[in-house]
Amino acid sequence: SQQGEEDPQALSIQEGENATMNCSYKTSINNLQWYRQNSGRGLVHLILIRSNEREKHSGRLRVTLDTSKKSSSLLITASRAADTASYFCATDSPLTGANNLFFGTGTRLTVIP
Amino acid sequence: SQTIHQWPATLVQPVGSPLSLECTVEGTSNPNLYWYRQAAGRGLQLLFYSVGIGQISSEVPQNLSASRPQDRQFILSSKKLLLSDSGFYLCAWNPGGFNEQFFGPGTRLTVL
Repeated sequence: SQQGEEDPQALSIQEGENATMNCSYKTSINNLQWYRQNSGRGLVHLILIRSNEREKHSGRLRVTLDTSKKSSSLLITASRAADTASYFCATDSPLTGANNLFFGTGTRLTVIP
Repeated sequence: SQTIHQWPATLVQPVGSPLSLECTVEGTSNPNLYWYRQAAGRGLQLLFYSVGIGQISSEVPQNLSASRPQDRQFILSSKKLLLSDSGFYLCAWNPGGFNEQFFGPGTRLTVL
């Protein structure tokens, strides 16, 4: 299936450290997106990187994309306790319509104050 | 600005009872609409999507159904709930094309 897979499944770091999460997928994509979910809440879009881009920044977030390896990473620099959440990557496919996204199982990030 | 609403926020239902979850979007026209289910500690599973009124596509065979009676209204239903239907149900929309999706706050469904 197209579904992405994140690793690690869980990550615990101290406040101020950097957090890196990885995502791998299986088929060709148009875009890859990262979402954040606080416990029991809806998902919030963080960043979208297109298949012809290799790196993108947004504030303390840095996303890389390697289409040859079918992988992406999300780096959160200078983490804060408020960054504690689950992070999901989502991919689309040029083979399906209506912008269907395929989500991974997520990385649970805990930032210890 | 656009907003998305889901209700109820939480729901506890007995096995075999019917279900109706509603999602509405404001501030946009002809959105793509989606229903997802998220099991505890897991990723999202796409259940249904709709590109227009009365147009529903199902991604996973199950005892759930969806309807879109109005442009900005998306309803998830079941005639008889199963224990396995428990989960966190999320509605989302996007303006079409390969863009980000905007999620509602979700409905926590517990089937007993």
